[in-house]
Amino acid sequence: DVKVTQSSRYLVKRTGEKVFLECVQDMDHENMFWYRQDPGLGLRLIYFSYDVKMKEKGDIPEGYSVSREKKERFSLILESASTNQTSMYLCASSVRQGPSYNEQFFGPGTRLTVL
Amino acid sequence: GENVEQHPSTLSVQEGDSAVIKCTYSDSASNYFPWYKQELGKGPQLIIDIRSNVGEKKDQRIAVTLNKTAKHFSLHITETQPEDSAVYFCAASNPSGTYKYIFGTGTRLKVLA
Repeated sequence: DVKVTQSSRYLVKRTGEKVFLECVQDMDHENMFWYRQDPGLGLRLIYFSYDVKMKEKGDIPEGYSVSREKKERFSLILESASTNQTSMYLCASSVRQGPSYNEQFFGPGTRLTVL
Repeated sequence: GENVEQHPSTLSVQEGDSAVIKCTYSDSASNYFPWYKQELGKGPQLIIDIRSNVGEKKDQRIAVTLNKTAKHFSLHITETQPEDSAVYFCAASNPSGTYKYIFGTGTRLKVLA
């Protein structure tokens, strides 16, 4: 069964802290994505990666960075957390080719609160 | 830039009635249109999708229609049940090779028993 796991369901951090959100997939997928979800704004893409050590900016990369050292793991980093980064963060993965290459599989999300 | 508009933002229907959610996209190169369902406390899950060479696709009580000329697509749920209550997202993807989706803003569907 396809599985994407995220390291924490809930996280509370203080302004200025460095925050790491971890995502692991067990499907050998090439592509991985980080989104943030806010009420009324839907899902907005922060960063994505289509291969190990490769990364591309999404629509809202400011204030975030990512790391993909291994195929199965994609980390989102908030270098200096701010209150406007309080949100639900969703990780997803997909294969690069094949009949279902478009389908993205999502993790359960991490609800981050920055105080 | 690329954009997907989704309406309505909230929808309440009586159990057994039909529900329709509509989306409009801006990028004419988009060729894949998935619909995701997000239940409380969970990540979104694909429920149905359609590609641009098809006008309609059906899977039991859910169906999706696509009008490429007008650049809009819709999700239809018939005989709604309480377990259909969730947030639904539409998305559009183009074949540029980046595998990106542009998501709509979501519709909260409530099925009233």
